[in-house]
Amino acid sequence: EADIYQTPRYLVIGTGKKITLECSQTMGHDKMYWYQQDPGMELHLIHYSYGVNSTEKGDLSSESTVSRIRTEHFPLTLESARPSHTSQYLCASSDGGLAKNIQYFGAGTRLSVL
Amino acid sequence: AQTVTQSQPEMSVQEAETVTLSCTYDTSESDYYLFWYKQPPSRQMILVIRQEAYKQQNATENRFSVNFQKAAKSFSLKISDSQLGDAAMYFCAYRGSQGNLIFGKGTKLSVKP
Repeated sequence: EADIYQTPRYLVIGTGKKITLECSQTMGHDKMYWYQQDPGMELHLIHYSYGVNSTEKGDLSSESTVSRIRTEHFPLTLESARPSHTSQYLCASSDGGLAKNIQYFGAGTRLSVL
Repeated sequence: AQTVTQSQPEMSVQEAETVTLSCTYDTSESDYYLFWYKQPPSRQMILVIRQEAYKQQNATENRFSVNFQKAAKSFSLKISDSQLGDAAMYFCAYRGSQGNLIFGKGTKLSVKP
């Protein structure tokens, strides 16, 4: 399995709380991604980064924000969680070399906002 | 904009039998990549197989093979000798010039012992 880690795996919080979902990879990949996935549905790209200090919004609009201060770390933050944010969040990374088209995924964080 | 369609929400196969999962896509690009990813319950999504659009030869990885029909924009996955561990959600994905993956809605595969 790929060396990309997400914490926490499960999170239940109340409305209005600030949360940060952690994502780290030890493969030295330049590119990192955040996807949102509702149960039984497809993945939607919400943020991506092509390297340190680079962040872009994805195809699906999201109230979350991301940062990329270190190559291996790509955290996602929700300043004020709402029930509509309940979903699974998947982090991924990819190499810029010959295997650049392959994305490696973390196990995901399942978020429930009450 | 590119789209990926998986028309089979659920499929079932008997252990040791063969099953084919369907995927069609829409694009105006000529150079792109196609992928099948597997997502077991509560586990990491992993790459099953990859196909470069410029290659006519269908990709194979052990028991997994694809039928890539570029003109028809079809990319089906065949799983031979199905095993209990093959039970999972399978996602078809497209990567074009923009560089990001576009996923289909997925097919849930059940394997009966």
